[in-house]
Amino acid sequence: QQQVKQSPQSLIVQKGGIPIINCAYENTAFDYFPWYQQFPGKGPALLIAIRPDVSEKKEGRFTISFNKSAKQFSLHIMDSQPGDSATYFCAASMDSWGKLQFGAGTQVVVTP
Amino acid sequence: EAGVTQFPSHSVIEKGQTVTLRCDPISGHDNLYWYRRVMGKEIKFLLHFVKESKQDESGMPNNRFLAERTGGTYSTLKVQPAELEDSGVYFCASSPPFSYNEQFFGPGTRLTVL
Repeated sequence: QQQVKQSPQSLIVQKGGIPIINCAYENTAFDYFPWYQQFPGKGPALLIAIRPDVSEKKEGRFTISFNKSAKQFSLHIMDSQPGDSATYFCAASMDSWGKLQFGAGTQVVVTP
Repeated sequence: EAGVTQFPSHSVIEKGQTVTLRCDPISGHDNLYWYRRVMGKEIKFLLHFVKESKQDESGMPNNRFLAERTGGTYSTLKVQPAELEDSGVYFCASSPPFSYNEQFFGPGTRLTVL
């Protein structure tokens, strides 16, 4: 069964808006939570990642919020730009060998 | 520095045929992963090589799939015989020795089985 549930499936925001993508997991053994960004024709690229001992992490305009008790984490894209239009995947890993469990992906469109 | 490359980018085959996908990891990366995304669903783990050894092949769907990594460099994933449900995008990723979390993905091979 799907171990990481991601929503929404798609999202359209205007430039400057803040798209928010949510992910939920069940397995409390997960200890690494990355977000990947994928542009058409390219492979997923690591965007930002967090571990469960931290509640928030920011890198540039991208912020992960992590709620360990709720087993949820989310990606916020501040001051979104048309160049941020892509598919975003959340993922989780509990495996020291790096086996990633992905969400189903969210297609984000930022209109000019 | 060259990234992860995959060949072919697209493959269209008939049910029952054989297809071989190739992945060239970033030079020096001991870890090589195969993942698959079926249309609109999550990217699923297939297997993980450390050098030429299979560390984890728990995600391989069935014995129609065979992965190899001879010499610890490039890897191949063979599907024989292909079925309709094998259609999807196959991604390869690699990471440096003893570093498993930051995986660098290739552009994927889109496989269509008719």
